[in-house]
Amino acid sequence: NAGVMQNPRHLVRRRGQEARLRCSPMKGHSHVYWYRQLPEEGLKFMVYLQKENIIDESGMPKERFSAEFPKEGPSILRIQQVVRGDSAAYFCASSPPNAGGTEAFFGQGTRLTVV
Amino acid sequence: AQSVTQLGSHVSVSEGALVLLRCNYSSSVPPYLFWYVQYPNQGLQLLLKYTTGATLVKGINGFEAEFKKSETSFHLTKPSAHMSDAAEYFCAVSDILTGGGNKLTFGTGTQLKVEL
Repeated sequence: NAGVMQNPRHLVRRRGQEARLRCSPMKGHSHVYWYRQLPEEGLKFMVYLQKENIIDESGMPKERFSAEFPKEGPSILRIQQVVRGDSAAYFCASSPPNAGGTEAFFGQGTRLTVV
Repeated sequence: AQSVTQLGSHVSVSEGALVLLRCNYSSSVPPYLFWYVQYPNQGLQLLLKYTTGATLVKGINGFEAEFKKSETSFHLTKPSAHMSDAAEYFCAVSDILTGGGNKLTFGTGTQLKVEL
């Protein structure tokens, strides 16, 4: 059973460009989460999705950031018009249905650098 | 709101010595607690978790943690450090979300250094 797969592992974007980060959850997992890790900080929750639904986006910046988890294909975190402050590691996690908050498996992250 | 405090952003121990990484939490409901380890440029790997039941939890790589409700603590220990334990360790508390998912609130992490 493959783990949570994220790609790309590293992404470099110029200021003003768009960044698209992809996450394929573990097989059988229908819950996907995105977290951001800024340098020298812990991970911060951004958004929680199920297939075709955003359940909780309380940690998402109000502008430029969006996430989706379509019926088919990976979850996408999209950052429009990137700025230097968006440079961070972005981690995706997944959990199975009915886990009741007891499980979360993380991918290896996408390290975004904005130049 | 949930919160986690990890005392000591850097801890250094000698190989073979006891490892103790401290974690205190704040939660309005009985918490689910986790310890994760992160190696350089890697994702987070679950070391152990407390949900219900026995308060002393054993995890992988010889680590264990004890949930102490009266002290709101969940400190991570290992009797004898190994060089391969050098990594960053994160304590987290879980908040159950609508839809059955969970939101993890992380501490700021403790970098463990193991010296010969």
